Amino acid sequence: EDKVVQSPLSLVVHEGDTVTLNCSYEVTNFRSLLWYKQEKKAPTFLFMLTSSGIEKKSGRLSSILDKKELFSILNITATQTGDSAVYLCAVGSFKMDSSYKLIFGSGTRLLVRP
Amino acid sequence: DGGITQSPKYLFRKEGQNVTLSCEQNLNHDAMYWYRQDPGQGLRLIYYSQIVNDFQKGDIAEGYSVSREKKESFPLTVTSAQKNPTAFYLCASSDDRVGEQYFGPGTRLTVT
Repeated sequence: EDKVVQSPLSLVVHEGDTVTLNCSYEVTNFRSLLWYKQEKKAPTFLFMLTSSGIEKKSGRLSSILDKKELFSILNITATQTGDSAVYLCAVGSFKMDSSYKLIFGSGTRLLVRP
Repeated sequence: DGGITQSPKYLFRKEGQNVTLSCEQNLNHDAMYWYRQDPGQGLRLIYYSQIVNDFQKGDIAEGYSVSREKKESFPLTVTSAQKNPTAFYLCASSDDRVGEQYFGPGTRLTVT
């Protein structure tokens, strides 16, 4: 059965700290790994990764994928209170009937204290 | 403004009643999706549609129904057959079936 596991489940840090969120997966026919940030409502898209070893960066956020070891990390440097959210990892894979689906992890809840 | 809208934001229903959640997008996306989110769990796929007048069951379709008569709209009906309907429902769309999905603000449904 396909699965996506995120760790830690929750994390409390102080402003200015650097955090690393982890996402490991076991899926058949992997196509991509996506990171989303969910504050109170809609998850907002952060990154989509398809190739191993190529870092994607947006401001203080960066992410990298390791397709050999089947995991990805999301780094946030110089955290701010506005980074407080649930971070979701999702893996896209093709099924036997050629349909394509995202499988989501249960998320990491990050709280950044002032 | 391009985006995905869902209505209503909060919905309360009595057990045994069907209820329809609205999802509209003006992004000109072909694919649309419905997910359910429960506390402490990841999003689970209910139904998806890759093109108008076509849709497929996701992982937890029992007790739900959908239609896709227009490209912009993908309403979800939660029927009385759904055993545990109280949840946060998220609609998403994507430009192509393997692209990133963009989410609406969600509808929180409470059934008592």
